Amino acid sequence: QKEVEQDPGPLSVPEGAIVSLNCTYSNSAFQYFMWYRQYSRKGPELLMYTYSSGNKEDGRFTAQVDKSSKYISLFIRDSQPSDSATYLCAMSGPGGGSYIPTFGRGTSLIVHP
Amino acid sequence: ETGVTQTPRHLVMGMTNKKSLKCEQHLGHNAMYWYKQSAKKPLELMFVYNFKEQTENNSVPSRFSPECPNSSHLFLHLHTLQPEDSALYLCASSQDERDNEQFFGPGTRLTVL
Repeated sequence: QKEVEQDPGPLSVPEGAIVSLNCTYSNSAFQYFMWYRQYSRKGPELLMYTYSSGNKEDGRFTAQVDKSSKYISLFIRDSQPSDSATYLCAMSGPGGGSYIPTFGRGTSLIVHP
Repeated sequence: ETGVTQTPRHLVMGMTNKKSLKCEQHLGHNAMYWYKQSAKKPLELMFVYNFKEQTENNSVPSRFSPECPNSSHLFLHLHTLQPEDSALYLCASSQDERDNEQFFGPGTRLTVL
């Protein structure tokens, strides 16, 4: 079993839809959870960062962590064509070199007008 | 220049060539990373440097040789690569290796013929 599982998609939605992107993981030591957005021909950029369980909201984006289920989500409200990108989840633990994130393989999102 | 820059952006090389990838960060960070990104696969960590010292070599073949002359510059020297080494090579930096928040460059798209 891979440490971080993420469906590669593509996920195609109409403009204005609510998008849900998800990752599951197996390592219970993970405490830091991140979502990166990667546009075509660009490097990943950090979108959301959360610590431990709970929700975090930033504009149209909400990150949710459920450590009991080892499941994290990124919700995008009122999706726009400019949100079309690959979204990578990443997570890391508290120490012993495990600060370095483990990445999922990314979900390709297409928002069509 | 701001952020993390990488040159060249594209590179085509034969299996017998020697080439180098360059990364520079303008963020005042102390940790730098090389990642390999292949289609539909998670980011693969290759090397980590913290305060110019290599702290991680993730079982990378010796045909990849990193060099970190100072905290702002990172090189990846390539020698006798294989076609399966074709990928996007991403450089990243963070405040130090205990900092989860990594900033990525745009990557070098490498094709090995």
